[in-house]
Amino acid sequence: GAGVSQTPSNKVTEKGKYVELRCDPISGHTALYWYRQSLGQGPEFLIYFQGTGAADDSGLPNDRFFAVRPEGSVSTLKIQRTERGDSAVYLCASSSRSGGAGNEQFFGPGTRLTVL
Amino acid sequence: KQEVTQIPAALSVPEGENLVLNCSFTDSAIYNLQWFRQDPGKGLTSLLLIQSSQREQTSGRLNASLDKSSGRSTLYIAASQPGDSATYLCAVEGQGGSEKLVFGKGTKLTVNP
Repeated sequence: GAGVSQTPSNKVTEKGKYVELRCDPISGHTALYWYRQSLGQGPEFLIYFQGTGAADDSGLPNDRFFAVRPEGSVSTLKIQRTERGDSAVYLCASSSRSGGAGNEQFFGPGTRLTVL
Repeated sequence: KQEVTQIPAALSVPEGENLVLNCSFTDSAIYNLQWFRQDPGKGLTSLLLIQSSQREQTSGRLNASLDKSSGRSTLYIAASQPGDSATYLCAVEGQGGSEKLVFGKGTKLTVNP
């Protein structure tokens, strides 16, 4: 079956612009996560959805970042007034959250965002 | 606050060698621990997940162990191959519904032919 997909794979934008990053989770997975990875670092948690609702958004760095998952499947991460410090790889993951090994998270290929 | 540390940061070995990657975490109240592999410019590939009640998991040439009370996990790779070259990341999920993974910075492994 298909894994987690993310679009676009690369996004170059100018400082101050608005960007949207899309994630398609594995079919049937109720949980969806966004992480951000800077060069040489491990991924850092941004936000977690269970179904349509954001169950934990404690990792969002500020109010320029927002994410939605209106139908409980596809999610969009939105960044307003982008800054050069937002440049990173944005990773999406999904999980069935069925307990135990069912909590395994599966990651997409990421979107590399570059803010000039 | 959970912190995950991976040692060494980089490792270079000749082909065929057995090797161990280390991961430590500061809060032993974890739900599970996952090991991932990341190739340059790519996403993460899940290798093994160990639940908090388990001591180890095996998949092919990989064996991961977990000592929750001491806050440690190891990833053992047997008979390493050049294709094993990648960055290996360790991540823990906390208890109590936190769901998010907390990652280490990874160990960059190079297996030389």
